[in-house]
Amino acid sequence: NAGVTQTPKFRVLKTGQSMTLLCAQDMNHEYMYWYRQDPGMGLRLIHYSVGEGTTAKGEVPDGYNVSRLKKQNFLLGLESAAPSQTSVYFCASSGRASSNTGELFFGEGSRLTVL
Amino acid sequence: AQSVTQPDIHITVSEGASLELRCNYSYGATPYLFWYVQSPGQGLQLLLKYFSGDTLVQGIKGFEAEFKRSQSSFNLRKPSVHWSDAAEYFCAVGGPLSGGYNKLIFGAGTRLAVHP
Repeated sequence: NAGVTQTPKFRVLKTGQSMTLLCAQDMNHEYMYWYRQDPGMGLRLIHYSVGEGTTAKGEVPDGYNVSRLKKQNFLLGLESAAPSQTSVYFCASSGRASSNTGELFFGEGSRLTVL
Repeated sequence: AQSVTQPDIHITVSEGASLELRCNYSYGATPYLFWYVQSPGQGLQLLLKYFSGDTLVQGIKGFEAEFKRSQSSFNLRKPSVHWSDAAEYFCAVGGPLSGGYNKLIFGAGTRLAVHP
C-alpha cells in the first residue's frame, strides 16, 4: 500500500553539488510529475512525464533534469545546486484512466537545503 | 493567463465553528477545479473536485465546495470544524488550456489553525 514514495526525505547540499531525487509509484500510473513547494507560492510544476521514456518541461524547469527510464520511476536531478533550489519537492502521479479527473497522488515530499 | 488566488494566507477558527476558505481562479475555458489538503509533513490529498454538472460538490471529511462561474470562485466550506482539520489547503485549476495530462495550477495555500 505504498503509493508514491520519495527518497531521500531530507538532504543538505553545498552550492555546486549535484544530487538526484527518486520517485517510485506502485499504481501503474502513466503520468508522473515533479513539483516544488515554496512558502507563499504554492506548488509549481518543474517537469512531468506522460510515459516511459518521455519527459517535458513544466513551469520552472531551469536547473533541473529528469529521466523516466522505467514506468514506475521518475528521477529529478540537480547538476549544480544553488541556494534558490532550497525547497520541498513533491512527486505525484496519475493514471491514464484518471486523465480526465485530475486527481494527483502525491508522495510525502523531500526537503532540500542548499547552503 | 491561468492562475489561482487564495486570498487568505492564514485562518484561525474555533473547534465546532463553520469554515469557508476562498478560492478565485482565472481560466479561459471551463475549468476543472480541485481542493487538496496537506497535513504537516505529508503530501497532498484530494478533498473534492468539480468538472461539470451540479455546482455544489461534496468531498471527504465533511467538506463541500461551490462553483460560481459568475464570480470565478470555488470556495471550500465545512459546517463544523474539528481539531484534526488543522492543515494547509490548496485550491487548484486544470483543464484543456493547461495542456492536458493533469497539469494543475495551484494556489499559494491557506493554512488553517483550529482552537480548542
